[in-house]
Formats: sequence, C-alpha cells, structure tokens
Amino acid sequence: QVQLQESGPGLVKPSQTLSLTCTVSGGSIRSGTYYWNWIRQPAGKAPEWIGRIYTSGSTDYNPSLKSRLSMSLDTSKNQFSLNLNSVTAADTAVYYCARENSDLRHLCYYMDVWGKGTTVTVSS
Amino acid sequence: DIQMTQSPSSLSASVGDRVTITCRASHIIGSYLNWCQQKPGEAPKVLIYAASSLQSGVPSRFSGSGSGTDFTLTISGLQPEDFATYYCQQSYSNPRTFGQGTKVEIK
Repeated sequence: QVQLQESGPGLVKPSQTLSLTCTVSGGSIRSGTYYWNWIRQPAGKAPEWIGRIYTSGSTDYNPSLKSRLSMSLDTSKNQFSLNLNSVTAADTAVYYCARENSDLRHLCYYMDVWGKGTTVTVSS
Repeated sequence: DIQMTQSPSSLSASVGDRVTITCRASHIIGSYLNWCQQKPGEAPKVLIYAASSLQSGVPSRFSGSGSGTDFTLTISGLQPEDFATYYCQQSYSNPRTFGQGTKVEIK
C-alpha cells in the first residue's frame, strides 16, 4: 500500500528557510486524482493545514502562510516538497505530509494516508 | 476561513460506554466533513469521511451523522484502544480547517 515519509532538518534557525520532502512509496505520485498535502501540528494543538499540490503541479496554499510558502513536485523521484521561508519560533511543529483522496460518490476529499511526521524546531 | 468548533473539549468515559462528540461549522459545508483519530506520538488517522462514510478497516462501532453545519461522531461501545483525541475537519473549501479536538480519557 502507499506510504509517505517526511525528511528534512530537525532544527532551523530563525529567519531561515524550512525545507521538507515527502517521499511516496508503494504507488506513483502521478497516478489517480490525488492532492498531496502538508499539515503541521504545534505541540498540544490541533493540526493546521499548510497547503497542497496536485499531480499537475497546481497548488493551493493557506492564506496565512502563502507569502512565505512554496511547494513543488518531483515525479522522477516520486517526491513532493515544502519550502517555508523567514521562519520564526511560531513555525515550530510536527510536520506531516498526507495524501488527499476523493470519494467519487460524494465528491468529498479526505486525507487517507499520512506520513509519521517530522519534528521541526526553530531556534538559534 | 471556515471555523470548526467541537464539543466537548474533553470527556471521561468507561469501556463499553456510548460516546458522542459534536462539531459545528461556521458556514454550511454540506457533507464535506471528515473525522480523524489521533493517539499520542502518531499521525491522525481518518475514521469517517463525507460525514457518514466509514473508512475501510475502521470498526463499525464508529459512526458519523449530520449535514450543513452540525455533525456528530458516535462511538458505540468504547474500547480501550479508542482512548485518543478526535478531530473534525472540513473539506468544503480551502483552507482546510480542523476542530480544536476532543480528548477521550479513561474514567
């Protein structure tokens, strides 16, 4: 079955860029009608949706992060990536990647496969 | 953004109890509502999508209902492995948003 795995630095300095990659295994990132999402969760808080990228490369970003955010897809490596610049301590969180699938009957999207998450701390 | 409000924020229950969690959306979202479960140190896991559809592999004691702005997750016969935090999440529009969570604890 499809599995996702996040990777990237666990510590980022303030004002620098946070870069994470999600590797998809057990299936092609180009197949199906999936969106590939990033979600983060500060300790003790609810998840926060960061954004998503479609197999075509089109993106949707959370407006609260849009000015600092970019996402990309590397189909040759079956990966998608997140770059968040000008980070502060408020960006410290567990970052998850997730596949968003669609229910054809109800046309409802839901995140059905998640990575285990990677902890990113912003500190000097 | 669509705000999702869950109640209660936490509850204590015993094995075998029937548990109900509610979620209210700040705008009408049809049935574009998902429920997920999260255990400490783990990623969230979807239980219910489209308000009432049970995700494959999820026990039938979990059920969801509602449409529009008001939704319910019910656990019929709480099991030891069900003690966790539950989140509702809307997929009606971007940005996707989650409720603040309901922590189900052992009484």
